[in-house]
Amino acid sequence: SQQGEEDPQALSIQEGENATMNCSYKTSINNLQWYRQNSGRGLVHLILIRSNEREKHSGRLRVTLDTSKKSSSLLITASRAADTASYFCATDKFQGAQKLVFGQGTRLTINP
Amino acid sequence: DGGITQSPKYLFRKEGQNVTLSCEQNLNHDAMYWYRQDPGQGLRLIYYSQIVNDFQKGDIAEGYSVSREKKESFPLTVTSAQKNPTAFYLCASSITTGGYGYTFGSGTRLTVV
Repeated sequence: SQQGEEDPQALSIQEGENATMNCSYKTSINNLQWYRQNSGRGLVHLILIRSNEREKHSGRLRVTLDTSKKSSSLLITASRAADTASYFCATDKFQGAQKLVFGQGTRLTINP
Repeated sequence: DGGITQSPKYLFRKEGQNVTLSCEQNLNHDAMYWYRQDPGQGLRLIYYSQIVNDFQKGDIAEGYSVSREKKESFPLTVTSAQKNPTAFYLCASSITTGGYGYTFGSGTRLTVV
């Protein structure tokens, strides 16, 4: 069952610009996480935001969470070619065990 | 370095054959997970385990089996009952108590020939 829906499905921007990806989900969550996946590789954990938090920063990443709208956004500032990857949001409903449910992902391309 | 090792990186399966994908972690994580990823898609949970000798079905467990005899190891067997096994398989681990990110392996790409 897919919980998160990322928007847009694909995004192409110029190096140096900011990239914003959105994630919507359906049920109550304990936390929401963002991951990056380079082509043909495993996923890398980027950032976790808990349900009682509204904003979190990590380097060039900024994540917001609006539990009333059941949505989150990931902002990557001053993008670099190395940021080219797919980005996934994942939600943790924590029904007795942490069991992340992933969205379909946003394919981000940074053009030099 | 701590991490998760998946092997092999590429695997080819003949029709009607069972194959086993290996996943080993040295992070001392209690929980381990298997996900399947189809091209251009998100991840779907196959099986997960919170503790040794215990595991639970995920959303798409049919045609798959797992074991958890050691904390470090969580192998996945793709059986002949899985009719469309060609996919990218990802293993992950985490601290059981929740509220932490997953650590993923580098994946195994399985192709039916």
